Amino acid sequence: QSVLSQPPSASGTPGQRVTISCSGSISNIGSGSVNWYQQLPGTAPKLLMYGNDQRPSGVPARFSGSRSGTSVSLAISGLQSEDEADYYCATWDTSLNGWVFGGGTKVTVL
Amino acid sequence: EVQLVQSGVEVKKSGESLTISCEASGYPFFNFCINWVRQMPGKGLEWMGTICPSDSSTTYSPSFRGHVTMSTDSSVKTAYLQWSSLKASDTAIYYCVRLEFTSTFWGQGTRVTVSS
Repeated sequence: QSVLSQPPSASGTPGQRVTISCSGSISNIGSGSVNWYQQLPGTAPKLLMYGNDQRPSGVPARFSGSRSGTSVSLAISGLQSEDEADYYCATWDTSLNGWVFGGGTKVTVL
Repeated sequence: EVQLVQSGVEVKKSGESLTISCEASGYPFFNFCINWVRQMPGKGLEWMGTICPSDSSTTYSPSFRGHVTMSTDSSVKTAYLQWSSLKASDTAIYYCVRLEFTSTFWGQGTRVTVSS
């Protein structure tokens, strides 16, 4: 059972918008910023979003992030086949004094 | 360029000991803590703990405390993750990670397979 809750799966057709949620509590999402990671099959995760809504250099603008209270969301607009991957949210938890990850969401492009 | 290069695939038996490594380059090794993250087959990412080379301080996740040991050798800019007695449930990919709020650098992962 992960500290941060994500839906196990999400899907869409090419060009659609897909949104992934990540819910936490006051001790994690509620007190700090969240990173999102993309893990393509057979590879190490890659930083996709930091500070809730900031894209590192090289990440396409179709990826966007938002936060509301103790939840964050990652949106993929204009879904492409290469977006098929696992997505994880992560942040620092002040009660656990460590990093916590969501359980991951598998995005499938239909 | 920041790089974390991990040691290779390991195949071990239950009860054996193991140390895997993570060699850092491209940044001042002392200045950043190294985290270890586990990914069991077909499962998600789990934070195991962190070690800070500046003072060798460690913080372990309660789920891993007492079962693994983290260490560093600053002379070779390398972090280590050690088991004294492996279990079949330790079968996983282990990543060393420079985990920060504004950036993240991942090693390529070390696949560990433990047979009973």
